[in-house]
Amino acid sequence: GAVVSQHPSRVICKSGTSVKIECRSLDFQATTMFWYRQFPKQSLMLMATSNEGSKATYEQGVEKDKFLINHASLTLSTLTVTSAHPEDSSFYICSARDEGTYMNTEAFFGQGTRLTVV
Amino acid sequence: GNSVTQMEGPVTLSEEAFLTINCTYTATGYPSLFWYVQYPGEGLQLLLKATKADDKGSNKGFEATYRKETTSFHLEKGSVQVSDSAVYFCALRGLYNQGGKLIFGQGTELSVKP
Repeated sequence: GAVVSQHPSRVICKSGTSVKIECRSLDFQATTMFWYRQFPKQSLMLMATSNEGSKATYEQGVEKDKFLINHASLTLSTLTVTSAHPEDSSFYICSARDEGTYMNTEAFFGQGTRLTVV
Repeated sequence: GNSVTQMEGPVTLSEEAFLTINCTYTATGYPSLFWYVQYPGEGLQLLLKATKADDKGSNKGFEATYRKETTSFHLEKGSVQVSDSAVYFCALRGLYNQGGKLIFGQGTELSVKP
């Protein structure tokens, strides 16, 4: 199947700094990628839909100025957590669909990024 | 709106036991249904899927049948292994894809003991 690579897999940062997480589709193009957040022992919460060449669509309650999303190419979306605080510590996961596949119904997920803000 | 409800975990089984993880959904029309598995510290992997009523998805000994009449997509495996220990998520994608968004259930943690 298609591969989605997420980097870094783990990051520890100081409170007040910003952290960038990259999500790449390695062998397919994706005009749309999705960013999820997962709290310990909980389900995935969709944060935003990243659209190539246009602004991201944020879910209700997600701060757009806090979680900056850039989808500059058909294979790369980035999530920047700005002025991170300990409550931003979480597991962030991206996903993308191979839109070149007929009748695609499958989303491929990155391996996730464990963010710890100290 | 669309939603997915899974049975609560954790589920603890002995090796070779039969597994059922219940999943029911609420959606307009005929969504596509999925089961994803998440191993500790990792992202999600698609386990199986079904895109229309009465379809059966299967993979690695796991099966789930899309039941429109009961709005269910229960996951089953006849004989679990220790390596099946993970968190399992039921998910749906709505009619007309709704931008491709997946709606997830709360996840069910499975622990298989030798």
